[in-house]
Amino acid sequence: AQKITQTQPGMFVQEKEAVTLDCTYDTSDPSYGLFWYKQPSSGEMIFLIYQGSYDQQNATEGRYSLNFQKARKSANLVISASQLGDSAMYFCAMRHYGANSKLTFGKGITLSVRP
Amino acid sequence: DTEVTQTPKHLVMGMTNKKSLKCEQHMGHRAMYWYKQKAKKPPELMFVYSYEKLSINESVPSRFSPECPNSSLLNLHLHALQPEDSALYLCASSQGGGRSYNEQFFGPGTRLTVL
Repeated sequence: AQKITQTQPGMFVQEKEAVTLDCTYDTSDPSYGLFWYKQPSSGEMIFLIYQGSYDQQNATEGRYSLNFQKARKSANLVISASQLGDSAMYFCAMRHYGANSKLTFGKGITLSVRP
Repeated sequence: DTEVTQTPKHLVMGMTNKKSLKCEQHMGHRAMYWYKQKAKKPPELMFVYSYEKLSINESVPSRFSPECPNSSLLNLHLHALQPEDSALYLCASSQGGGRSYNEQFFGPGTRLTVL
């Protein structure tokens, strides 16, 4: 079974500062992918970044980077230089190898960026 | 074109109505998904179509009936819904298959209210 844990309560960050959103996961399968999605109040789920379990380097996509610590089973999202438009709900998710493998989501973290 | 479209954006229906949600993608993806999402919760998987065949049904009540007319289209037929079915319904697509951890691209969702 696979499980994603996001335990932080609502997060607040000052505009232009960096923020880290925590995610831990549990799986016995060595092959998996980790994803972060952003969901603004409008509802659309926006894919941000992906990290494969065999990737040697941490993933980066613009202002987003993923702090992947495999031994600790953590995949924290770092957002640098926060913008007001970053205010949203953020979901960490995991998927295993296999055609019928499902995307498992954490419960999400609400991020509010203060001007 | 990296977009998944969904219509309608909003839908209000009575418990005796029959309605349909539509989803379309033109990315050549071969896997398509329906999710249900309640406010402040993660998406819950309902159905998965892989190569136009239903591959996963997460024990969804029969008042929800999915249909995949072709590789670009996915419908969700609704009949005799209950007020607790009110939610955001998200469609997603991915390249499909199990040989890579392809990200799922989500549509903007349909906000459904059942009266």
